Amino acid sequence: AQTVTQSQPEMSVQEAETVTLSCTYDTSENNYYLFWYKQPPSRQMILVIRQEAYKQQNATENRFSVNFQKAAKSFSLKISDSQLGDTAMYFCAFMKHGIIIYSSGSARQLTFGSGTQLTVLP
Amino acid sequence: NAGVTQTPKFQVLKTGQSMTLQCAQDMNHNSMYWYRQDPGMGLRLIYYSASEGTTDKGEVPNGYNVSRLNKREFSLRLESAAPSQTSVYFCASRHGQGARGDTQYFGPGTRLTVL
Repeated sequence: AQTVTQSQPEMSVQEAETVTLSCTYDTSENNYYLFWYKQPPSRQMILVIRQEAYKQQNATENRFSVNFQKAAKSFSLKISDSQLGDTAMYFCAFMKHGIIIYSSGSARQLTFGSGTQLTVLP
Repeated sequence: NAGVTQTPKFQVLKTGQSMTLQCAQDMNHNSMYWYRQDPGMGLRLIYYSASEGTTDKGEVPNGYNVSRLNKREFSLRLESAAPSQTSVYFCASRHGQGARGDTQYFGPGTRLTVL
C-alpha cells in the first residue's frame, strides 16, 4: 500500500514571497503519478500540478513548480510570487500508473496526504 | 461544460435515515469515484466505478452502496445513516485516455451531517 505524508500541517507566507510545501511518499511501484491539489474555503478540489514519475523534468504551471526527487520519494511544491488567492489547503496525492487503459479503477485510486493549510498574508 | 456536479450541497440527517448523493459528469469520462473527507485527513476512497456497468469497493465502503446509472451518473447511497458518516463527500471522474487521462476532476462536495 502507498502512503503519503505531509509533515507541515500549517504554513504562512507573505504576499509576493516564495513558499515550499513538502510531501514524501512510500511505494514499491516504479511507475506512478503525483499530484498537488488545492482546496480553498469553497471546498472545491482544484488540480494544481501533476508529475509523471518516469519524467525526470520537474513539472511547472505558471507560478507553481515541483521538486521531484524519485530516489528520495519526495515531491515538494514551490509557489512563487504568492497571492492572497493561494490561501487554501494543499493536498499531495499519489496514483499508480496502469498499463491497460481501462484497468481496475483501484489501480488509479488517489492516495492523499493529510494536507497543509497555507495562509498568504497581506 | 459544467464538469462534475453534485447534489445536494448540504444535508442533515437523523440517525437511521437513508439518502442518496447524486453525481454527474459531462466530460465523457469513463471512471468515477466517491471519496469522503474528514477533519485533519485527506480524502479516502469509498467506492469507484472503473467503467460503465462496474463498481468496486474502495478503502472505506462499509455503510454505503453505489450505482453507476449510466456513463454520466454515479450515485452514493447511505441506507441507514450513522453519526460516523458525518463528513464531506466528493465525487470525481477520470477519462482514462489521452495526455491527461489519469487526472481526476472533482465535484464541489456535499457536506453531510448525521445527528
